[in-house]
Amino acid sequence: QAVLTQPSSLSASPGASASLTCTLRSDINVGTYRIYWYQQKPGSPPQYLLRYKSDSDKQQGSGVPSRFSGSKDASANAGILLISGLQSEDEADYYCMIWHISAWVFGGGTKLTVL
Amino acid sequence: EVQLVESGGGLVQPGGSLRLSCAASGFTFSSYEMNWVRQAPGKGLEWILYISDSGSTIYYADSVKGRFTISRDNAKNSLYLQMNSLSAEDTAVYYCAREGVGTTHDVFDIWGQGTLVTVSS
Repeated sequence: QAVLTQPSSLSASPGASASLTCTLRSDINVGTYRIYWYQQKPGSPPQYLLRYKSDSDKQQGSGVPSRFSGSKDASANAGILLISGLQSEDEADYYCMIWHISAWVFGGGTKLTVL
Repeated sequence: EVQLVESGGGLVQPGGSLRLSCAASGFTFSSYEMNWVRQAPGKGLEWILYISDSGSTIYYADSVKGRFTISRDNAKNSLYLQMNSLSAEDTAVYYCAREGVGTTHDVFDIWGQGTLVTVSS
């Protein structure tokens, strides 16, 4: 089982909100991890969005709009990237990442379509 | 301008070797931890290597352990990736990425544009 699991795709309408999940393997407790989120558009390198561990331990990337926010769902053992007020420019691939046993681990990514 | 520029990619035969470089500019390279991340065509991101600011600490992904080596020359503001025993599964765009400091510690805050490595006969 993969360390981090993301749905492969998600669609949402302009102006709506999208909740992208990053589920940790069952033997790993989401509460103990900082979760990092990156956005990647076609033909470009990834860009850092934000980091979230708790409401007292979070960091927004420079220039990243506040409509991008992080949270966790402990019951689902998952990190969440919430994008509110979706815009066409938010259409991209989104990756979560954690530091786990001396290695950075990326999730498989979610392709967000805004239509 | 803060910038990372990768070079050295290209076509290499299976079993061959290749050395990638990442030139840093616009910041004090010796103060930053660095990583290599790759992305196979149409696939997701895969972290492969980390090196501390001094070069004294290195972490490897299992997929490249024993075949790939990361190094840096702080005097030349450069990061390197030596890749040996290449196979088709190593075909990817290779990015170098800087880890931030201070409030952005552990964040991959600067990425290069990537260099494509194709392993094929």
